[in-house]
Amino acid sequence: DTEVTQTPKHLVMGMTNKKSLKCEQHMGHRAMYWYKQKAKKPPELMFVYSYEKLSINESVPSRFSPECPNSSLLNLHLHALQPEDSALYLCASSQGARSGGNTDTQYFGPGTRLTVL
Amino acid sequence: SQQGEEDPQALSIQEGENATMNCSYKTSINNLQWYRQNSGRGLVHLILIRSNEREKHSGRLRVTLDTSKKSSSLLITASRAADTASYFCATANFNTGGFKTIFGAGTRLFVKA
Repeated sequence: DTEVTQTPKHLVMGMTNKKSLKCEQHMGHRAMYWYKQKAKKPPELMFVYSYEKLSINESVPSRFSPECPNSSLLNLHLHALQPEDSALYLCASSQGARSGGNTDTQYFGPGTRLTVL
Repeated sequence: SQQGEEDPQALSIQEGENATMNCSYKTSINNLQWYRQNSGRGLVHLILIRSNEREKHSGRLRVTLDTSKKSSSLLITASRAADTASYFCATANFNTGGFKTIFGAGTRLFVKA
């Protein structure tokens, strides 16, 4: 099973709402990632979790709050978002630097398309 | 922040022709990967080349890496209409706890049947 699943596929929320994006993988990967992608732009790294610990935060605003409850799950909690946060949010996983060495391939989910009104 | 540039930004070719995309990057890397994305969907990993490798093949794909010039190229031979997609290079640099991956701007490839 080389699949990364993301829910929901689409999400529309108001600026005062609180919502969560979910990501799941069952490949035994120990690194998980959140990316944000605007239309016609490349994905931009937001967060990296390694062995369930946050290892990289690319200066993301605090209205985005990641959580890794276990090695298979990754959440992104959203609160008080702005319209400019509307984008495709991609989750990815990889074996993890300790086990993958320098051949660590990331597997991406299909993304959640978020619209903030 | 983007690691580097890809060129061309867009490429339109006829089915059967070869397509070449280039990627340049700025910092030292552990590996460079190429991904494909169809119409705003998830990315599909195509090929990974390590920093100590110069060329790699996978089916119709050929990737080269020149670390002295900090550049890579992706060649798709005998293109098909189904190859129409956006192609991104991504550089990985080992960071404490995980790989920091930075994507290039991407090349949009159109293959006409």
